[in-house]
Amino acid sequence: ETGVTQTPRHLVMGMTNKKSLKCEQHLGHNAMYWYKQSAKKPLELMFVYSLEERVENNSVPSRFSPECPNSSHLFLHLHTLQPEDSALYLCASSQSRLNEQYFGPGTRLTVT
Amino acid sequence: AQSVAQPEDQVNVAEGNPLTVKCTYSVSGNPYLFWYVQYPNRGLQFLLKYITGDNLVKGSYGFEAEFNKSQTSFHLKKPSALVSDSALYFCAVRDIRTGANNLFFGTGTRLTVIP
Repeated sequence: ETGVTQTPRHLVMGMTNKKSLKCEQHLGHNAMYWYKQSAKKPLELMFVYSLEERVENNSVPSRFSPECPNSSHLFLHLHTLQPEDSALYLCASSQSRLNEQYFGPGTRLTVT
Repeated sequence: AQSVAQPEDQVNVAEGNPLTVKCTYSVSGNPYLFWYVQYPNRGLQFLLKYITGDNLVKGSYGFEAEFNKSQTSFHLKKPSALVSDSALYFCAVRDIRTGANNLFFGTGTRLTVIP
């Protein structure tokens, strides 16, 4: 295990639902990330938090809303998603933004 | 702009044979280069990185990668493949000079080691 956990591992939701993804890191890292992984496409960086402050927001639709209450926890709040949002959502952390990142196992999201 | 290319979607190799997974990059300055591996139903695992120093970098599970500045490549290699090496491999780059700290990933190469 990498020291980064994600819950739930699988999520099926309708387009009108509201749900949240949770990530927790046990590595004492200072930066946390959300990525979207779709088949045959490069990983898409969604959000970056460094020392609990959002430092990157890569033109992600507002139906995705991140929250970082402390350096160990990261949430991704989801509402009124579209079917094309179905993907594997990966959380990662690193000691600093220059260091290698450690990934969680991901949440497989299906929007129906 | 930074980018990474993994020209092969799929690589097949017989168990015990050497393996190579190719990666080329494009950055405006000096690169930080990384390799990650993803097993089924798992997140990405860090294998190795090049920042500076020796062009040959050794990493986890017997993997190594060679940084070639003139060819802008960072190919992943292993002298003798194991069936358990079968997975999806990602190359990633960070451009130091621009000050951007984000990693840019390739599309991945699926390695299958045949018993």
